[in-house]
Amino acid sequence: SSELTQDPAVSVALGQTVRITCQGDSLRSYYASWYQQKPGQAPVLVIYGKNNRPSGIPDRFSGSSSGNTASLTITGAQAEDEADYYCNSRDSSGNHLHWVFGGGTKLTVL
Amino acid sequence: QVQLQQWGAGLLKPSETLSLTCAVYGGSFSGYYWSWIRQPPGKGLEWIGEINHSGSTNYNPSLKSRVTISVDTSKNQFSLKLSSVTAADTAVYYCARGRSITIFGVVITSYYYYMDVWGKGTTVTVSS
Repeated sequence: SSELTQDPAVSVALGQTVRITCQGDSLRSYYASWYQQKPGQAPVLVIYGKNNRPSGIPDRFSGSSSGNTASLTITGAQAEDEADYYCNSRDSSGNHLHWVFGGGTKLTVL
Repeated sequence: QVQLQQWGAGLLKPSETLSLTCAVYGGSFSGYYWSWIRQPPGKGLEWIGEINHSGSTNYNPSLKSRVTISVDTSKNQFSLKLSSVTAADTAVYYCARGRSITIFGVVITSYYYYMDVWGKGTTVTVSS
């Protein structure tokens, strides 16, 4: 089945901009969605589709995609953005429909 | 506000069957994909499988031989059974709502798929 690849860790200075990327074949056919997970908590959807934020997600979070790569950008990172971030997408490889997750990126805000 | 409440046995012995249930409150059960996802300690998320309101399922190929997901639409609940568990199945198990929306553009039509509502998670430990 398809896989999604993320950098294991990324750091950003407080108030600066950071981009977290996700690569995989499924992204050529399906948009990625992005989830934020803080320790001991369930994941929370932050970006879906082309570049859509659920209600309550700050507008410093944005998404983009090109070819087999999707990106989550945080513009003006805040201390509360320190978390693990996961991408996922639908995948129809192997003639069956399923979901795939990236391995996650740990974001540290310095 | 849709909420997912999940429950099930938290401690199992090797070879036993894991059984979890997720109830949907405050929203429609039909028109969505209802998934189970797990997260081993210190590791990432792994999709296990999904079911829709009519009982159609999709499973992760790596777990398919041991997984059964079922639905009880009269109670707005769906359940996970994972047979022959081992220590490698120790994880936090989440239920989640998956949805798809269609965006009709001037030139192209786009389809968005995402998981917008998650349960709080159930810790399952497999130990002899």
